[in-house]
Amino acid sequence: DTAVSQTPKYLVTQMGNDKSIKCEQNLGHDTMYWYKQDSKKFLKIMFSYNNKELIINETVPNRFSPKSPDKAHLNLHINSLELGDSAVYFCASSPRGPLSGTDTQYFGPGTRLTVL
Amino acid sequence: AQSVSQHNHHVILSEAASLELGCNYSYGGTVNLFWYVQYPGQHLQLLLKYFSGDPLVKGIKGFEAEFIKSKFSFNLRKPSVQWSDTAEYFCAVNEVYSSASKIIFGSGTRLSIRP
Repeated sequence: DTAVSQTPKYLVTQMGNDKSIKCEQNLGHDTMYWYKQDSKKFLKIMFSYNNKELIINETVPNRFSPKSPDKAHLNLHINSLELGDSAVYFCASSPRGPLSGTDTQYFGPGTRLTVL
Repeated sequence: AQSVSQHNHHVILSEAASLELGCNYSYGGTVNLFWYVQYPGQHLQLLLKYFSGDPLVKGIKGFEAEFIKSKFSFNLRKPSVQWSDTAEYFCAVNEVYSSASKIIFGSGTRLSIRP
């Protein structure tokens, strides 16, 4: 059973397009996250949702909009894609959330986005 | 701002060599510490974590890490590496009791093992 799943695994698209990446976790966790991993492997948090509520929103262009229809899903929609958006995007979940102080994150397989 | 430093960007070892990967963080308060591993083409997996108690933490696959509070360090060690340990290793730190708490990842260390 896949604990944290993401679709699609690969996404190749033209500049200016709008695309979405979906994430689902079947662990019953309260908190979900989106991370961006750039070409140098640097991993940076973008958003975090706890029970469908946004709790972390880093300095991310407003072309990126997360949506959490329920606590098992956190989707990422990206408008007007740019070359610099090319990266691997990882979804993660954790039982309670970073504010709890003792929490472990479980990562999805990643979505490799290539913007041409 | 809190930061996590992994000074070794790329480490190359032969099989059976001993490994130590450095990790330093800047936050002066109580922290939780993690090491994650990313095998080629795969997602991040937790290797080990420190929340409290014994500062020497044992993880999976023979890895261990030691939390030295006075040095703000959480170095990862393995006495004898294998070819299958080839991967990217990330140190991560979470401030405890912070209203803006989030996990900060280091920039990663690529480990290459020569067979």
